[in-house]
Amino acid sequence: DVQLQESGPGLVKPSQSLSLTCSVTGYSITSGYYWNWIRQFPGNKLEWMGYISYDGSNNYNPSLKNRISITRDTSKNQFFLKLNSVTTEDTATYYCARDRDGYSDYWGQGTTLTVSS
Amino acid sequence: DIQMTQSPASQSASLGESVTITCLASQTIGTWLAWYQQKPGKSPQLLIYAATSLADGVPSRFSGSGSGTKFSFKISSLQAEDFVSYYCQQLYSTPLTFGGGTKLEIK
Repeated sequence: DVQLQESGPGLVKPSQSLSLTCSVTGYSITSGYYWNWIRQFPGNKLEWMGYISYDGSNNYNPSLKNRISITRDTSKNQFFLKLNSVTTEDTATYYCARDRDGYSDYWGQGTTLTVSS
Repeated sequence: DIQMTQSPASQSASLGESVTITCLASQTIGTWLAWYQQKPGKSPQLLIYAATSLADGVPSRFSGSGSGTKFSFKISSLQAEDFVSYYCQQLYSTPLTFGGGTKLEIK
């Protein structure tokens, strides 16, 4: 069965960068599909952040401008989110998910990130 | 960006009743729409894709309809475990966008 699991620091200071890891088991991230990062803000609004494709290409939400980068380590079957210059508005639960034609059929359990000094 | 307007934001209903949630897209999206269920403290889980197709293992009391800009999601014969939150998502173009969510409460 496909499983995804996020990991991250939990707390980041404003202006710093956040880095999250999504570890995938049960399916190779190079075999197909797109691999999403989605976040959910306090108050429950969901925001698609972007994806890395099975071929390594990216698509990002323009709202994140030049702050976002999604990369991968195919040897570990992991993909990563890096978000620069974080503010308190980046406080959210971050999910990684497998994207199948736009809908996410497998999700991680989520990792909570707080931006605070 | 395509805006997804979901209503109602919350709804009270009784066990065994049926409820319908609506999602309106700011532009036509064909049938590129998904519905998710989210239980407290858990990640969203896919229920319906392509507006009407049931995801694997999803009970048949859940159904979706619509195309273009107006979509509906129906739960027939509400069970206790259905009183959680639901979200629509458009898959037509990036950035992918979600509706604001509907929280079902027991009356």
